[in-house]
This record gives sequence, C-alpha cells and structure tokens, in this order.
Amino acid sequence: AIRITQSPSSLSASTGDRVTITCRASQGISSYLAWYQQKPGKAPKLLIYAASTLQSGVPSRFSGSGSGTDFTLTISCLQSEDFATYYCQQYYSYPTWTFGQGTKVEIK
Amino acid sequence: EVQLVESGGGLVQPGGSLRLSCAASGFTFSSYEMNWVRQAPGKGLEWVSYISSSGSTIYYADSVKGRFTISRDNAKNSLYLQMNSLRAEDTAVYYCATGATRAFDIWGQGTMVTVSS
Repeated sequence: AIRITQSPSSLSASTGDRVTITCRASQGISSYLAWYQQKPGKAPKLLIYAASTLQSGVPSRFSGSGSGTDFTLTISCLQSEDFATYYCQQYYSYPTWTFGQGTKVEIK
Repeated sequence: EVQLVESGGGLVQPGGSLRLSCAASGFTFSSYEMNWVRQAPGKGLEWVSYISSSGSTIYYADSVKGRFTISRDNAKNSLYLQMNSLRAEDTAVYYCATGATRAFDIWGQGTMVTVSS
C-alpha cells in the first residue's frame, strides 16, 4: 500500500505569511495527488488536484507543485479564513485512496 | 444545487449493525463513481469504500473488508453503506464523496456513528 507522510503536523503562522506544507509518497505516484482544506465541523473542500491544478473557485494564493514522491502546497499570503487543517490525498492507487495525516494551520 | 446528504448514523453497541444512506441531487448520480470516507473524532481522513457508477466494481479499505458492504440504487439516486460487526474503532463521522476527476470535489455534510456500550 502507498503511504503518505505529511509534514508538519501543525504550524503557527500570521496573516500575510507564506506557508508551505509537504507530502511525501512511499513510491512514485506521478501527479496523482490532491489537496483539501477542512474547517472544524465541516466536510473537506478540494483545493488542488493533479498536484497543481487549482479547483474552480479556489483563490489563486493556493498553489501546488511536485511529482513522483514529493509534493508541496503553498499558501502565498495567509488570510484569516485559511486557518484550517489541510490534507493531501494520493489517487495513483485508484480506485483506492490514501490521505496524509493532516496539517493544522493555527494563528500565531 | 449539487448536493449529497448522509443519514442513518447513531449510537450502536459493539458487534451491532447500522446502514448509512447518502442521497444525491443536482447531478447525474448514475454517471458518478462514489465513495465513503470516515474521520474518527480528532483524527484524520480515511477512505473506506468505492463503488463504480454501475455498481459492478467495489473496493474496501482493509480495516472494513468483510464487515462493510457498499451498494447503490441509481434509480433512487442513493448510495448505501451496510456496516456489520461494528467495533469501537469504527466510531467516526462518515462522509459520502465523489468527483469528476479522481479527487473528491463533492462531499456530504457527514453522519456520526458511535460504537459504544
């Protein structure tokens, strides 16, 4: 089974900061990676798929990069509404999926 | 409006059974593959099960294989998850989810399942 290691598990940042979250796959997964944002008590929201394609309606301050085993989600200028937990998800092993452990972005 | 609405969650004793439902609207349900994803309290997301658009292909996570059964009724725009032999570790919010790509851009609001005596 493909394992996904997401880091860090949490981070503190201020509004306006640039934030980077990484995911590493246990084997190459090409670009079959998605990123989600989840706020407390809510369902996850798709931000990016195919490693770098922005989902419709998602602000351009979110970007994704990487292929193979190493991937990055970047928030270029953190806004108050961006404080949330972020998950990566691989779908190279479709139709089975694996999520990363999550990164909680908190206010410094 | 594209929408998924889960129901059927609740409190059940260990070893018991529960059937979850997911009602779809606002899109052509019969054309979409569907999934169940769960989230234990304070924990991360775990993919549980997949069913193809026709229902002919099904996959399960190892953690639920042999105990859970996914099914769908395209005439009723509905997805189901029959959960048997429930354990404390099955306690979670259960979401149904789908998408046009293989990522999930449509999610329900979730239904809580608590397994406890």
